[in-house]
Amino acid sequence: DQQVKQNSPSLSVQEGRISILNCDYTNSMFDYFLWYKKYPAEGPTFLISISSIKDKNEDGRFTVFLNKSAKHLSLHIVPSQPGDSAVYFCAASAQGTGNQFYFGTGTSLTVIP
Amino acid sequence: EPEVTQTPSHQVTQMGQEVILRCVPISNHLYFYWYRQILGQKVEFLVSFYNNEISEKSEIFDDQFSVERPDGSNFTLKIRSTKLEDSAMYFCASSEKGGRYEKLFFGSGTQLSVL
Repeated sequence: DQQVKQNSPSLSVQEGRISILNCDYTNSMFDYFLWYKKYPAEGPTFLISISSIKDKNEDGRFTVFLNKSAKHLSLHIVPSQPGDSAVYFCAASAQGTGNQFYFGTGTSLTVIP
Repeated sequence: EPEVTQTPSHQVTQMGQEVILRCVPISNHLYFYWYRQILGQKVEFLVSFYNNEISEKSEIFDDQFSVERPDGSNFTLKIRSTKLEDSAMYFCASSEKGGRYEKLFFGSGTQLSVL
């Protein structure tokens, strides 16, 4: 039961270029989405979120795009920096499910200096 | 900056043994959670806890699991009789308020290995 899928386990990008991390979901009831970043030996930390009433949310170098019809969201990091190298988790929740978030398996991003 | 702390960072146990994973949430937070990630798989919700009660739990959180806030600072996850498939990274998290728009603050996790 993989309701949130991150099909790319890893991604390598040159410093200064754009990183695009993708996430697909199957549950049409999901209406709130988040990205978490995780460094080795640390817990996930909140990065950015988007509600289904929007199709884009931006915070500095990070932008999340939501395509509800395709049940797809993406995280864009531009420009990518070596410090962005981490595992990125996509997560989703549906109204009525309280604080239960459904996570993907993560994408490991490596930004090459 | 305040952080969620988890101990131990690694726990090795024999199948059938009881384990207790410990967490100290951020001091002014009222809502507490356990998630886990089996190697190579997704992060999975186990349980949420508020006001000394379980608010929600997933199908994974069966009778072998229990949570407790034994004092004003600790939040524990107990697995009564561990199974091989309980081997995972267990993350504790806390939030100041409830509701799914609240940011969760995660600890660095306890890697549980059941032999």
